[in-house]
Amino acid sequence: DTEVTQTPKHLVMGMTNKKSLKCEQHMGHRAMYWYKQKAKKPPELMFVYSYEKLSINESVPSRFSPECPNSSLLNLHLHALQPEDSALYLCASSQMGGETNEKLFFGSGTQLSVL
Amino acid sequence: AQSVSQHNHHVILSEAASLELGCNYSYGGTVNLFWYVQYPGQHLQLLLKYFSGDPLVKGIKGFEAEFIKSKFSFNLRKPSVQWSDTAEYFCAVRPSGYSTLTFGKGTMLLVSP
Repeated sequence: DTEVTQTPKHLVMGMTNKKSLKCEQHMGHRAMYWYKQKAKKPPELMFVYSYEKLSINESVPSRFSPECPNSSLLNLHLHALQPEDSALYLCASSQMGGETNEKLFFGSGTQLSVL
Repeated sequence: AQSVSQHNHHVILSEAASLELGCNYSYGGTVNLFWYVQYPGQHLQLLLKYFSGDPLVKGIKGFEAEFIKSKFSFNLRKPSVQWSDTAEYFCAVRPSGYSTLTFGKGTMLLVSP
């Protein structure tokens, strides 16, 4: 299994809703990432978890709350989002995190629309 | 902090034309370099990567890239493009030993049949 699986594929939510994005991988990777990609723009790093500990938070607003319950799962909890948060949210994983000879495996993303 | 510059936002080619997409990065130390492709409606896929060794790397689907350290460049090439190569191409750089992968703004390639 060389896939990173993200659910749901599409999500529409209001500004007062609470929702969660889920990401799962079974490749034994110990680093997992959340990226945000607006239309026609490159992915922007949000968070990095390495060995289930948050190692990088790229100054992301607190309305985005990541969680890594175990080495295979990564969640992104959403609360009180703004319409400008509408984007494709990509999860990725890599073997160790920061080591050489690593590549990132990306999921298909969750297309989020905030109304 | 590192940065990545892709020279062209949009490229339009006819089938069988040759392709070269420019990528320059700024970082003083050792880097890992990547090209990712995003086909319409699909997720990012790795085309090729450079970590060390031969600066000319070959990837999937006939793509190759050359790392020129003196020019801080990692240009992507393909001798003859196909309609199915229509996609967005992202160059990315990661300082060796770090997790952060920085992407360029992307180049949208449109290949007309």
